[in-house]
Amino acid sequence: DQQVKQNSPSLSVQEGRISILNCDYTNSMFDYFLWYKKYPAEGPTFLISISSIKDKNEDGRFTVFLNKSAKHLSLHIVPSQPGDSAVYFCAASSGGGADGLTFGKGTHLIIQP
Amino acid sequence: EAQVTQNPRYLITVTGKKLTVTCSQNMNHEYMSWYRQDPGLGLRQIYYSMNVEVTDKGDVPEGYKVSRKEKRNFPLILESPSPNQTSLYFCASSSYRDMNYGYTFGSGTRLTVV
Repeated sequence: DQQVKQNSPSLSVQEGRISILNCDYTNSMFDYFLWYKKYPAEGPTFLISISSIKDKNEDGRFTVFLNKSAKHLSLHIVPSQPGDSAVYFCAASSGGGADGLTFGKGTHLIIQP
Repeated sequence: EAQVTQNPRYLITVTGKKLTVTCSQNMNHEYMSWYRQDPGLGLRQIYYSMNVEVTDKGDVPEGYKVSRKEKRNFPLILESPSPNQTSLYFCASSSYRDMNYGYTFGSGTRLTVV
């Protein structure tokens, strides 16, 4: 039973355009949602998070939107740059983060020049 | 430098030979957890710890043990490794004070069991 789902295994976007990565979840107890970026053979790198009491969080080119009623969140990257090409994981946690993270399977983002 | 350190980075072992993967963090974090990454399956949580002497099972705990005797260390123990435990393993840590900054991950341990 997958509690965090990323339904797009890959996404190709032109440099300079907006990248939108989507994530759905089923567990209503999740209270933190996070996005990680990962390169092969490296540990995941934290990008941005959002608490369940908010619906939007912004950090530079990255914005995360949370729609609790739809149990859906999305990551927007504007403008997309070649260095953004990586696998992006959506993750969620309950208990204020104390019980670790539940990850989606990831979306491979490819930024085309 | 604030970091999570895992050792070893690479390990090849034989079926049934007990091994330990160490994890240490220098950020005074209460929360620590272990994950494995497999192709097509993403990252799955093995065990987590909320603080010293407090551990609990994640989604795929079978075949693994952990201990949290000190705040900074959270070793992963494979008592009798099997080939299906061949994977890329990550340790991570965080704090209730720092959840807006997520969990910090180590660089990973590539384990091969033959």
